[in-house]
Amino acid sequence: GNSVTQMEGPVTLSEEAFLTINCTYTATGYPSLFWYVQYPGEGLQLLLKATKADDKGSNKGFEATYRKETTSFHLEKGSVQVSDSAVYFCALSDSGGSNYKLTFGKGTLLTVNP
Amino acid sequence: DSGVTQTPKHLITATGQRVTLRCSPRSGDLSVYWYQQSLDQGLQFLIQYYNGEERAKGNILERFSAQQFPDLHSELNLSSLELGDSALYFCASSVEPHQNTIYFGEGSWLTVV
Repeated sequence: GNSVTQMEGPVTLSEEAFLTINCTYTATGYPSLFWYVQYPGEGLQLLLKATKADDKGSNKGFEATYRKETTSFHLEKGSVQVSDSAVYFCALSDSGGSNYKLTFGKGTLLTVNP
Repeated sequence: DSGVTQTPKHLITATGQRVTLRCSPRSGDLSVYWYQQSLDQGLQFLIQYYNGEERAKGNILERFSAQQFPDLHSELNLSSLELGDSALYFCASSVEPHQNTIYFGEGSWLTVV
């Protein structure tokens, strides 16, 4: 079945540091890939997505590139801010059927210190 | 604000009891999804409805059931509750079941004591 593996946290960085959160996946077919973010006390928000190989998703300074050859979708940001502190989830959609249920990784807690 | 509304936001109940969680999808969305987020299992897909009909089932226990009503709101019913059912339950919606972007509500926190 489908699965998503993302680097375990927690990750603690200083403001303006470079961020990478690794995500690799196992899936049949051609899934779409997502990063969701969950700020403290809030629900999940879609951060970015990529629907085919070599696509780059980007939003709010975050980027991730769909790498089919390495089955990866690593999240990066060049300069993090305190407000980026949150839990980040990598996910893929099931492209094999008539539904688009998401399979999530376990989440990575990011804390950014001033 | 995603436009997906869930109630209640917080709920505390005793083991053996039954609760109902409610979800109103974004305006115009026909498909509703339920997810469970717990410390040990992470985020898991439970069930999906489209325009009132069940479309997909995930790791949903037999003690749990859901439905989508003609006005498109959905309810998740949890019965014979156990301590391990304590979790954050998310509802999400999308326009079509095939659409690969879904929007999540803020969740309903369930604590079973």
